[in-house]
Amino acid sequence: AQTVTQSQPEMSVQEAETVTLSCTYDTSESNYYLFWYKQPPSRQMILVIRQEAYKQQNATENRFSVNFQKAAKSFSLKISDSQLGDTAMYFCARYNNNDMRFGAGTRLTVKP
Amino acid sequence: GAVVSQHPSWVICKSGTSVKIECRSLDFQATTMFWYRQFPKQSLMLMATSNEGSKATYEQGVEKDKFLINHASLTLSTLTVTSAHPEDSSFYICSARDPSGDYEQYFGPGTRLTVT
Repeated sequence: AQTVTQSQPEMSVQEAETVTLSCTYDTSESNYYLFWYKQPPSRQMILVIRQEAYKQQNATENRFSVNFQKAAKSFSLKISDSQLGDTAMYFCARYNNNDMRFGAGTRLTVKP
Repeated sequence: GAVVSQHPSWVICKSGTSVKIECRSLDFQATTMFWYRQFPKQSLMLMATSNEGSKATYEQGVEKDKFLINHASLTLSTLTVTSAHPEDSSFYICSARDPSGDYEQYFGPGTRLTVT
């Protein structure tokens, strides 16, 4: 099975500090897409950031950036200047051929 | 951004009855929609892929006769839980892919089903 692994079930960070969430994945495809989604208590899935596998440059969206290591099949999310509103579940996902697979999630708590 | 709606947002039904959940893409045509199930404090598990005008593709272990999926138009997919039992209680989430976009899936707000 082609899986997505998030090895950190829970993490916490102080407000204004930086935190990195880890994700590794498995795929036999050469072209695929990677995503980080945020799920707050409302349970609405919100796209945080996306990365196309064929692009070497790491994606960045304001305070969110990724470290994409294609050879290692690693896709970590860095949140800078953490805010209380960043508290949520974060899911890493891999998409190819109409197939989206999610990791188990990391529960992030931002402490004041 | 694209919007996907789900209806109802929550539903309570009695064992043995059927319940239908609707998923609509509001501002784009979705040839493919996806249905997920999420248990408390767990990840999203793909149940089936719904393709407009054709039969849904179910994941291994998902009973297609119990979870009926219909994708009759480019903006609507429905999931019907037939003869519901308490173990079917869960949070069901749909998503839709905009074929003119960049493979991003847009998620509905989810439906909480409780079977008593």
